Amino acid sequence: KQEVTQIPAALSVPEGENLVLNCSFTDSAIYNLQWFRQDPGKGLTSLLLIQSSQREQTSGRLNASLDKSSGRSTLYIAASQPGDSATYLCAGWNQAGTALIFGKGTTLSVSS
Amino acid sequence: NAGVMQNPRHLVRRRGQEARLRCSPMKGHSHVYWYRQLPEEGLKFMVYLQKENIIDESGMPKERFSAEFPKEGPSILRIQQVVRGDSAAYFCASSPSGTPYEQYFGPGTRLTVT
Repeated sequence: KQEVTQIPAALSVPEGENLVLNCSFTDSAIYNLQWFRQDPGKGLTSLLLIQSSQREQTSGRLNASLDKSSGRSTLYIAASQPGDSATYLCAGWNQAGTALIFGKGTTLSVSS
Repeated sequence: NAGVMQNPRHLVRRRGQEARLRCSPMKGHSHVYWYRQLPEEGLKFMVYLQKENIIDESGMPKERFSAEFPKEGPSILRIQQVVRGDSAAYFCASSPSGTPYEQYFGPGTRLTVT
């Protein structure tokens, strides 16, 4: 059964720092991996999708990598800003492509 | 183009009552997914529906929960005889085709059972 774990659960950094959020999954048969952002009281916003044949994706200050052999993904945020404060969720797709399996998230707080 | 709409945004029910949660997918989307986020837990997949069909309900509790996506109108997640453990945020997502990687999430319905 696929399980997704995110470390750390919470992170506080000063503005301008580069940071790394970690995600691990138990089943290397994970199909694709996706990172989301969740703001309080809001829905989820997709940040990056890494397909199973890819190793990384970049969007602006965000870079996500996927290493299926070790069962890990990382989300790198460069030059963090207070507006980056949110909960970041990592999710893997099941092989049928019908459902996302989510970690519990990392809650990030960036202080100015 | 309006996003995924969910209503109500907040719902309070007493134990034993029924809860009906509605999800209107984005225009042109015919696939709907429901997820539940319990306090201190991650989002858990519940059910995947196409118009008039349930495709994957492997995450649905066996009792009291049902979902539908009729030919016309929103998708409905129905919880009968609610208990306190049903208190959670329920999120709906939609996608435009059988390719799920373009899921767009709604703002969620926060259900509180008193």
